[in-house]
Amino acid sequence: DAKTTQPNSMESNEEEPVHLPCNHSTISGTDYIHWYRQLPSQGPEYVIHGRTSNVNNRMASLAIAEDRKSSTLILHRATLRDAAVYYCIHGGSNYKLTFGKGTLLTVNP
Amino acid sequence: DTGVSQDPRHKITKRGQNVTFRCDPISEHNRLYWYRQTLGQGPEFLTYFQNEAQLEKSRLLSDRFSAERPKGSFSTLEIQRTEQGDSAMYLCASSLVAWGSTETQYFGPGTRLLVL
Repeated sequence: DAKTTQPNSMESNEEEPVHLPCNHSTISGTDYIHWYRQLPSQGPEYVIHGRTSNVNNRMASLAIAEDRKSSTLILHRATLRDAAVYYCIHGGSNYKLTFGKGTLLTVNP
Repeated sequence: DTGVSQDPRHKITKRGQNVTFRCDPISEHNRLYWYRQTLGQGPEFLTYFQNEAQLEKSRLLSDRFSAERPKGSFSTLEIQRTEQGDSAMYLCASSLVAWGSTETQYFGPGTRLLVL
């Protein structure tokens, strides 16, 4: 199973940018990088995905290193609603997601 | 709301009883997944369906577990002779797989099972 490495926890202040790192040194050329988040007592929620180029959507930006062995999820202005566990996932197959423990993001008011 | 729904949201049962959970995916989604999540851990893959065909089962899915998706729409997950170790959140997700693109899975709120 594909492995990623993320910090156990990070802290941010409200309305400040947050950069959540992820290492995926075993990524293969066809793998996509997916980010999901899980708010307390809810199922995981899709955030963003990409393969080679940086990606932006209404929720976040994804910056992918040139060698693709790491990526960073960027929340441009954290809100209290962004407090969640963030999972970085990559896989060689286009189906099951292999979740690690993720990064618990705390947002301070 | 047209998201993934799961029923029940909570289930408390006694050891040895059978339980069944239901998942209604997003309409027209052709793939349906079941995951299990224990406290402090990320979700773990259990099984998935492409339309009505069950294509893979994890080694986590013991003989006491069975899943069906009879008409390629809703799915059920049954656990027979429940054990305390089955206590977990059971998550369902669905996706629409299209040729040439990666899929995004949409998760339901989960069913929290407590086995006493």
